[in-house]
Amino acid sequence: KNQVEQSPQSLIILEGKNCTLQCNYTVSPFSNLRWYKQDTGRGPVSLTIMTFSENTKSNGRYTATLDADTKQSSLHITASQLSDSASYICVVYGNTGKLIFGQGTTLQVKP
Amino acid sequence: GAVVSQHPSWVICKSGTSVKIECRSLDFQATTMFWYRQFPKQSLMLMATSNEGSKATYEQGVEKDKFLINHASLTLSTLTVTSAHPEDSSFYICSAGLGQETQYFGPGTRLLVL
Repeated sequence: KNQVEQSPQSLIILEGKNCTLQCNYTVSPFSNLRWYKQDTGRGPVSLTIMTFSENTKSNGRYTATLDADTKQSSLHITASQLSDSASYICVVYGNTGKLIFGQGTTLQVKP
Repeated sequence: GAVVSQHPSWVICKSGTSVKIECRSLDFQATTMFWYRQFPKQSLMLMATSNEGSKATYEQGVEKDKFLINHASLTLSTLTVTSAHPEDSSFYICSAGLGQETQYFGPGTRLLVL
């Protein structure tokens, strides 16, 4: 069964600290993996998109990694800011033509 | 580029009424539009996929007679929740695709049925 699992479910960190979110998937065949940021009451906004041949991709303070062999991805946030408080969703696109969504990690950055 | 808008952003209605939500791609033509529903603390769940000029394809368990989708042009799709009930209260998000792989999400519409 095609699944995307994220951990932790929620996370609280202090402003300025780094954090890493995890994503494991069983989607096969695999085309690409995306990380989205979803602010409360808003639609998801794309952070990174990686194909199976890419190991890492950065977008400002966000760096995503991908290990297609172990089917794992991570999203690293550097020097967190209060505005980073949001849900982060890992989404995998397989050749079925549909996006498979993870449950998301809720990040809260405290001053 | 690739901006998707939704209207309204939030709506409160009485049980039994119908509610229409619009999804527009503002700066590109979308061959495909997707409608999602998101309940609190859950991820997005695909409801249906619509292609311009053809009938929508609904996911299993989604009632097509209750959630009417019209995709009349390459920039506009509408979702009508007919005879809404409190259990239909949710966050509805559309996305517009340039192809199957590329989806740009709208800001969402929060529906509260009293």
